[in-house]
Amino acid sequence: SQTIHQWPATLVQPVGSPLSLECTVEGTSNPNLYWYRQAAGRGLQLLFYSVGIGQISSEVPQNLSASRPQDRQFILSSKKLLLSDSGFYLCAWRDTGDNTIYFGEGSWLTVV
Amino acid sequence: GNSVTQMEGPVTLSEEAFLTINCTYTATGYPSLFWYVQYPGEGLQLLLKATKADDKGSNKGFEATYRKETTSFHLEKGSVQVSDSAVYFCALFTAAGNKLTFGGGTRVLVKP
Repeated sequence: SQTIHQWPATLVQPVGSPLSLECTVEGTSNPNLYWYRQAAGRGLQLLFYSVGIGQISSEVPQNLSASRPQDRQFILSSKKLLLSDSGFYLCAWRDTGDNTIYFGEGSWLTVV
Repeated sequence: GNSVTQMEGPVTLSEEAFLTINCTYTATGYPSLFWYVQYPGEGLQLLLKATKADDKGSNKGFEATYRKETTSFHLEKGSVQVSDSAVYFCALFTAAGNKLTFGGGTRVLVKP
């Protein structure tokens, strides 16, 4: 069966520091992968999605970037964090058989 | 573009009460429809889904029917429990968009 993992689960970073969140999927090949953000008390915003290695689509211009160095690995990065980057970040993958999207456990980021 | 509208919360109920959360959508093409649940401090879990008109998704006592004529996908549960306290998100997926579009989420609080 397929599983998705992301880490770290929680992190507190100072303003101006870099960020790297990692997500991996097991049990499937060539998945579509997604990064969503959920700001406190707000809904879910799609940040990036990827249909294959090295292929990244950005939904919202911002301080973040994404990369897909391997088929089942998706990384969210920032060179310099802003206070407004705080939130709950969710990685997800799509089952292309029935278009169901499954989410990881999430990563809580607090920028101080 | 695609959009999802769901009733705002919070919804406060007593245990064993009937729960309805309204969800309507606007989409081009033929979307798949989903309900996700987010328990406190956790990621999103798929609750149920429906991929075509008149399909009924069901899971854990929750049900929702894909109504194309009213563009709706209302979530219902006949008898809620305290453990159903969570935030519920309605969402749609279209192949053309290749992403989930979420409603704003509805917080449900069930009191004993």
